Amino acid sequence: DIQMTQSPSSLSASVGDRVTITCRASQSISSYLNWYQQKPGKAPKLLIYGASSLQSGVPSRFSGSGSGTDFTLTISNLQPEDFATYYCQQSYNTPPYTFGQGTKLEIK
Amino acid sequence: EVQLVESGGGLVQPGGSLRLSCAASGFTLSSYSMNWVRQAPGKGLEWVSFISGSSGTIYYVDSVKGRFTISRDNAKNSLYLQMNSLRAEDTGVYYCAREVISGGTGDYWGQGTLVTVSS
Repeated sequence: DIQMTQSPSSLSASVGDRVTITCRASQSISSYLNWYQQKPGKAPKLLIYGASSLQSGVPSRFSGSGSGTDFTLTISNLQPEDFATYYCQQSYNTPPYTFGQGTKLEIK
Repeated sequence: EVQLVESGGGLVQPGGSLRLSCAASGFTLSSYSMNWVRQAPGKGLEWVSFISGSSGTIYYVDSVKGRFTISRDNAKNSLYLQMNSLRAEDTGVYYCAREVISGGTGDYWGQGTLVTVSS
């Protein structure tokens, strides 16, 4: 199975900052990479699919890039509502669709 | 409006069974593959199972193979997860999620249903 490794595991930032979260796959997954945001007690929300396509309704301050094995999620101009846990997930070929371990973004 | 509503969770003893349901509305269920994803308390997300729109293709994570069965009834707009031989490590919130068009668990998710396996 394909393993997904996110870094960092946690991150402190301030409103208005720009932050980057990295996700690395154990083998090439082309651009089959999704990013999700999850707030406590809530279901995950799709932010980015296909590595760089913004899901409808998601603010443009969220962006994704990468292909192959290395991917990034960038959040520009952090807003208070962006403090949450972020997960990457690979969807290459057939399931299992493995997730990264998550990155918790906290207010500094 | 797309909606997914899970039900059927609860407290069950180790070795017991539960059947989770997911009621879909606002879209044509038969046109979409569907997934179950779970989250143990305080832990990350784990994909559990996938079923294609016609039920012709099904996958499971290794840890539930032989114990869980995914199914769907498109006429009833419903997705199911039959869970047998439950273990403590199956405890968590179970989400149903509609397949992303490019693959992956979910462009829409339910609110989740809690399964607790404990004596």
